[in-house]
Amino acid sequence: KQEVTQIPAALSVPEGENLVLNCSFTDSAIYNLQWFRQDPGKGLTSLLLIQSSQREQTSGRLNASLDKSSGRSTLYIAASQPGDSATYLCAVYKETSGSRLTFGEGTQLTVNP
Amino acid sequence: NAGVTQTPKFQVLKTGQSMTLQCAQDMNHNSMYWYRQDPGMGLRLIYYSASEGTTDKGEVPNGYNVSRLNKREFSLRLESAAPSQTSVYFCASSATGLSQYFGPGTRLTVL
Repeated sequence: KQEVTQIPAALSVPEGENLVLNCSFTDSAIYNLQWFRQDPGKGLTSLLLIQSSQREQTSGRLNASLDKSSGRSTLYIAASQPGDSATYLCAVYKETSGSRLTFGEGTQLTVNP
Repeated sequence: NAGVTQTPKFQVLKTGQSMTLQCAQDMNHNSMYWYRQDPGMGLRLIYYSASEGTTDKGEVPNGYNVSRLNKREFSLRLESAAPSQTSVYFCASSATGLSQYFGPGTRLTVL
């Protein structure tokens, strides 16, 4: 059974700092990996999707990398801002899971002004 | 473009009552999903529909039923609500194998 772990569970940083969020998964036979953002009381917003054949994806200040062989992904946030405060979730889509995503429990990020 | 919409936003039920959560998407996606989110448990898949006319169980299907009414709509029914079903419910949709798009959620409390 696929398990997804995110470390740390919570992170507090000062504004302007560059930071890395980690995601690990137990079964490397994945089709893609997706990073989401969730604001309190809201739904999930997709940030980046990395196909299994890709190594990284970038969108603005966000960069996500994928290493299938080691079962790891990182989300790099450059020059963090208070508006980046949210919970960040990673999810993996397994090739034979019938379109199902398995989610980690998330990292709660607080960026202090 | 509304994306994924869910109704209602909030609901309080008494144990044993029934209700249906509605979900609709306007992105012409084949696949639709129902998740529940609980503190310490993360997001867990209840049911999904890979295409119109098909539904499959996810990780936690007990106590729920679903209907894929057409390509746009996917409903989740609680026949006899229990306090353990108190949760936030999210509907999502995707083109097969691609990004999932989530609705705003329904906060359900069962007393």
